[in-house]
Amino acid sequence: EVQLVESGGGLIQPGGSLRLSCAASGFIFNMHWMHWVRQAPGKGLVWVARIDSLGRETTYADSVKGRFTISRDNARNTLYLQMNSLKDEDTAVYYCVRGVHWGQGALVTVSS
Amino acid sequence: DVQMTQSPSSLSASIGDTVTITCQASQDISKFLNWYQQKPGRPPKVLISDVSNLPTGVPSRFSGSGSGTDFTLTIFNLQPEDVATYYCQQYDDLLALSFGGGTKVEIK
Repeated sequence: EVQLVESGGGLIQPGGSLRLSCAASGFIFNMHWMHWVRQAPGKGLVWVARIDSLGRETTYADSVKGRFTISRDNARNTLYLQMNSLKDEDTAVYYCVRGVHWGQGALVTVSS
Repeated sequence: DVQMTQSPSSLSASIGDTVTITCQASQDISKFLNWYQQKPGRPPKVLISDVSNLPTGVPSRFSGSGSGTDFTLTIFNLQPEDVATYYCQQYDDLLALSFGGGTKVEIK
């Protein structure tokens, strides 16, 4: 069974940094592209970033480009999202996604 | 990037009604479209994959159709447990997934 478990969320001040992790199990991690998708409170789903299976190619939504970095450690079956220069509008639940499989999400709240 | 336009944004229907939600892509996405159901406080759950395939456990009252740029999710015989928000998602462009704006379904 595919399992994706996010961690690392929390309350952070504007301008701060946070790193999310997603522990993957139940599938061969290094064979799959992975994505981060976020959902602001009461709003819809927004794609954030994607990484290929080997971690060599990444793409980002314009809203996070230059501030967020997606990466992966295939030896640890873990996906990461490094978030820098956080803004109020980054407040959201962040989901780790593989295909149609979603984690439970990690809440990131950016507020002073 | 592929833009997904979903309508309506909300609807209210009676138990037993048939409900239709549409999703239009800004370019041809062939059959690379999924539908998700999301209930409050929960992650999205795949309802239909590849336009019309129901994963194991999804009730047969859910149906998907379409191809190219126009897609439809139909809920037959609406049930109380179908109250949720529904999203379409394209994955033709795997470099940048995109979602419709969502349709909130309520019971009259």
